[in-house]
Amino acid sequence: KAGVTQTPRYLIKTRGQQVTLSCSPISGHRSVSWYQQTPGQGLQFLFEYFSETQRNKGNFPGRFSGRQFSNSRSEMNVSTLELGDSALYLCASSWGSGSSTDTQYFGPGTRLTVL
Amino acid sequence: AQSVTQPDIHITVSEGASLELRCNYSYGATPYLFWYVQSPGQGLQLLLKYFSGDTLVQGIKGFEAEFKRSQSSFNLRKPSVHWSDAAEYFCAVGPTGTASKLTFGTGTRLQVTL
Repeated sequence: KAGVTQTPRYLIKTRGQQVTLSCSPISGHRSVSWYQQTPGQGLQFLFEYFSETQRNKGNFPGRFSGRQFSNSRSEMNVSTLELGDSALYLCASSWGSGSSTDTQYFGPGTRLTVL
Repeated sequence: AQSVTQPDIHITVSEGASLELRCNYSYGATPYLFWYVQSPGQGLQLLLKYFSGDTLVQGIKGFEAEFKRSQSSFNLRKPSVHWSDAAEYFCAVGPTGTASKLTFGTGTRLQVTL
């Protein structure tokens, strides 16, 4: 079974631009969560999508948004990029059932550099 | 609010020695608890998780963790470390009933000397 895939793996943007990151979950998984990882703040939860609806949201500004498609693939968008948005963005997928066997599986991440 | 503390930023052990990585959590109810490992340039790989039941949890790669409610701890252990275990280890807590919206600790970087 294929794992979580994220594209692109590396991205370089300049301040003020916008960026879209993509995540394809494990087949059958309906929940996709996004995390930002930086040396200063560590791993922080951005949001979770389940069945095309945002189910949970972290404490990030509105410049960070996402969506999920009917095939459970998800995209994350960051508008008006700032230098502080440079980070590794990780996507994780799970069944989303809420049962004790549910587990998040992470992709390799997208490394975003803002110049 | 839930939180996770990993007191050790960096640990160095010799190959073959035992390992214990500390994790303390703060959560109002019964939490999901996880340990993930991250190799350089990679995503996170789940080592083990605890939801309920037996407080000693076995994971992959020979790792185990013990949940101690009285100490709010979920320490990760391995009896004999291999050089390939060098990586960063993250403890995480999540609300019961969902695997998402995890709160992570700051991580412990493990170095293994030969």
